[in-house]
Amino acid sequence: AQSVAQPEDQVNVAEGNPLTVKCTYSVSGNPYLFWYVQYPNRGLQFLLKYITGDNLVKGSYGFEAEFNKSQTSFHLKKPSALVSDSALYFCAVRDGRLTGGFKTIFGAGTRLFVKA
Amino acid sequence: DVKVTQSSRYLVKRTGEKVFLECVQDMDHENMFWYRQDPGLGLRLIYFSYDVKMKEKGDIPEGYSVSREKKERFSLILESASTNQTSMYLCASSLGRAIYGYTFGSGTRLTVV
Repeated sequence: AQSVAQPEDQVNVAEGNPLTVKCTYSVSGNPYLFWYVQYPNRGLQFLLKYITGDNLVKGSYGFEAEFNKSQTSFHLKKPSALVSDSALYFCAVRDGRLTGGFKTIFGAGTRLFVKA
Repeated sequence: DVKVTQSSRYLVKRTGEKVFLECVQDMDHENMFWYRQDPGLGLRLIYFSYDVKMKEKGDIPEGYSVSREKKERFSLILESASTNQTSMYLCASSLGRAIYGYTFGSGTRLTVV
């Protein structure tokens, strides 16, 4: 069965410092992995995805994520945090098999707080 | 700008009422989804649809039903609202086999009193 774990409820970082938001997953077959961001009282916005290829994927707003197959992780990173990055971040995984349904499983979310 | 539109941002309903949440997408996406979002639980899938008039149960379908009569519209129905259905409801759509991610609506915050 698919599952996603975001081990940290909240991550605090100072503006200008690098940030990492952690995600680990479990899925049958090769995974499709995603990060989304949610600002207050809004829906989720797509940040980036990993389907295949280079383990380091780049996304919107200067974010990137590193896929590590051996550790089944897909951590979100940014070299220099901004106060405006403060939001709720969701990791998500979809089963990579070509058959079956299209269920995407979301983690519980990690709240990022960037202090000025 | 492509988008998913949810008809209400905030909704307050009474226990026992029948509630309709509407979602419309303008991207010609095959797949549409309804999730509910609760603090500490993330997003949980209620129902999804991969074609007109087709529907599949998600992880928490009890107390809900859905309707997809047209490709662009996916409705979530609470047959008899209860207080434990107070939540943020998110509609999403995707192309093909959902490998490119979802486009989400802004959400409907439903309070059942």
